[in-house]
Amino acid sequence: AQSVTQLDSQVPVFEEAPVELRCNYSSSVSVYLFWYVQYPNQGLQLLLKYLSGSTLVKGINGFEAEFNKSQTSFHLRKPSVHISDTAEYFCAVSEGRTGANNLFFGTGTRLTVIP
Amino acid sequence: EAQVTQNPRYLITVTGKKLTVTCSQNMNHEYMSWYRQDPGLGLRQIYYSMNVEVTDKGDVPEGYKVSRKEKRNFPLILESPSPNQTSLYFCASSLIGRSQETQYFGPGTRLLVL
Repeated sequence: AQSVTQLDSQVPVFEEAPVELRCNYSSSVSVYLFWYVQYPNQGLQLLLKYLSGSTLVKGINGFEAEFNKSQTSFHLRKPSVHISDTAEYFCAVSEGRTGANNLFFGTGTRLTVIP
Repeated sequence: EAQVTQNPRYLITVTGKKLTVTCSQNMNHEYMSWYRQDPGLGLRQIYYSMNVEVTDKGDVPEGYKVSRKEKRNFPLILESPSPNQTSLYFCASSLIGRSQETQYFGPGTRLLVL
């Protein structure tokens, strides 16, 4: 089974500053990588995903992530955060096998944007 | 509107009193799954289902049961709840594919077992 590590449990950042949320996963032949966001009192929704091709993936709300196979990382970035980005962010991995939809989640990073 | 619904959203119960949390999706998805979310542990999979009458254990199945009699519904059953099952529960669904499909999550059910 895959394991996913999100090194930072909490990240405070000032409004309009850049942010990077880190994610590392255990090595595998092929994986698909996801970032989900959970706004307060809501379910998770997909921010972006990497399946193949370009290693830089752009998602909703100005977020992007870069897949680095050699470092087994998939860090999430945003150049300028807004108050509305305050939420918990989860990195997740699935194995690239037919019918294997199971997601392995990290422990989450709580992003707090300070006015 | 495409969505995953869960009921109830909030539930307080006592140890040993059987309960069911319902999950329903209107997207004709084959795959459905239950997760629990606990502080510092992220989301952990309880059970999943690849299609009607096909279910399998996830990482933390102890104390839970599921059934998949219809494609749209995937209830989670706690036959004898215990305080360590106090948690936030999410149902999710997706199409079946090479695991690249986006999972769609319900709004969550917050359970407190006294």
